Amino acid sequence: SAVISQKPSRDICQRGTSLTIQCQVDSQVTMMFWYRQQPGQSLTLIATANQGSEATYESGFVIDKFPISRPNLTFSTLTVSNMSPEDSSIYLCSVVWRDRVLEDTQYFGPGTRLTVL
Amino acid sequence: GDSVTQMEGPVTLSEEAFLTINCTYTATGYPSLFWYVQYPGEGLQLLLKATKADDKGSNKGFEATYRKETTSFHLEKGSVQVSDSAVYFCALTPTGTASKLTFGTGTRLQVTL
Repeated sequence: SAVISQKPSRDICQRGTSLTIQCQVDSQVTMMFWYRQQPGQSLTLIATANQGSEATYESGFVIDKFPISRPNLTFSTLTVSNMSPEDSSIYLCSVVWRDRVLEDTQYFGPGTRLTVL
Repeated sequence: GDSVTQMEGPVTLSEEAFLTINCTYTATGYPSLFWYVQYPGEGLQLLLKATKADDKGSNKGFEATYRKETTSFHLEKGSVQVSDSAVYFCALTPTGTASKLTFGTGTRLQVTL
């Protein structure tokens, strides 16, 4: 499978500020996603990061709050803007990788643990 | 729409006990089924998967069998270790695509000596 890294691994931020999270993959991938995991909860899909075009956001998430860039097939960023304590979560990127013919699987990065004070 | 239902946690077991975490799903067609594991302070790792009925996924002593007739994908391990303490997520993707991953709520497993 692809190797996925994220930076930073964790951060503590003040409310009202913004944080940009990077996701780097060691191979070219077509599909890349961003998820949020609130404390003690399951994962919620924020958006699909589309290479060369605007991201596709899920219901409840907007570009002004979570702008996403995908300049190429190995890299994406997610910005959490104008943060509030409610944004304290783990943010994870994932990619779809073809394990074998007709068998695709999502693999996840290690996550970025964000605390907003 | 698609959904995944997991047993509520936390599950607390003694080391070497037998583990079962129940997972049932609702989906049309033949989804692919997954178990992901999240160790404390880490991201999600794929534990095992099955892509068609009666397939058995296995890894690190864990097993799960894709049961179409009961729409289930229960996770089992014969003898758990303290290092297995983690949160386990059952998930599915619809037939033919890996993009729409639907997760269960997760089950926390705590293994004690």
